[in-house]
Amino acid sequence: QVQLVESGGGLVKPGGSLRLSCAASGFTFSDYYMSWIRQAPGKGLEWVSYISSSGSTIYYADSVKGRFTISRDNAKNSLYLQMNSLRAEDTAVYYCARGKGLYGFDIWGQGTMVTVSS
Amino acid sequence: EIVLTQSPGTLSLSPGERATLSCRASQSVSSSYLAWYQQKPGQAPRLLIYGASSRATGIPDRFSGSGSGTDFTLTISRLEPEDFAVYYCQQYGSSPMTFGQGTKVEIK
Repeated sequence: QVQLVESGGGLVKPGGSLRLSCAASGFTFSDYYMSWIRQAPGKGLEWVSYISSSGSTIYYADSVKGRFTISRDNAKNSLYLQMNSLRAEDTAVYYCARGKGLYGFDIWGQGTMVTVSS
Repeated sequence: EIVLTQSPGTLSLSPGERATLSCRASQSVSSSYLAWYQQKPGQAPRLLIYGASSRATGIPDRFSGSGSGTDFTLTISRLEPEDFAVYYCQQYGSSPMTFGQGTKVEIK
């Protein structure tokens, strides 16, 4: 079935790095744009980053620009988020989600928790 | 950046009642790239409405979306017990792809 599965979350110290992965299955990954969206504990949703289906177009939220890097490997059906210089305010559940044209983000993963704390 | 403001923050209603949720944008949303999501505790968000007014696959017809430009509405015609949740709007027509702060629909 159509599925997105995130991994790579965990506890990291401020200033540290982490790489999140999102494995896609059940659909043609290269047909979809992808995003990372996060949710701090008890808070609302915050869009983090976007990558087009080919990887040629990338956008970031100002809060992560220069620290996070989104990428994808269509041959491996995988999406990544390299997170450097992590801060306490980056603590959140990180979701990957797929989208296509006007159809919105119709499939989301279950999320992976990132905790930045000393 | 397009700022989305949802109102009210909390809606207290009984099952069977009608719910009307508002999402107002600080500037026009490109080509109606406006979506609504439902989120329950401990779960990922679920897409309800895309393109401002189109229901996503498998979404019951008691959910409807309307609006264009800067004013959008999600209506739940008759609340079912499973509809009590938090609802978010999102614009995905321009970067950053912002979300509203959410409206909680709670049981009165």
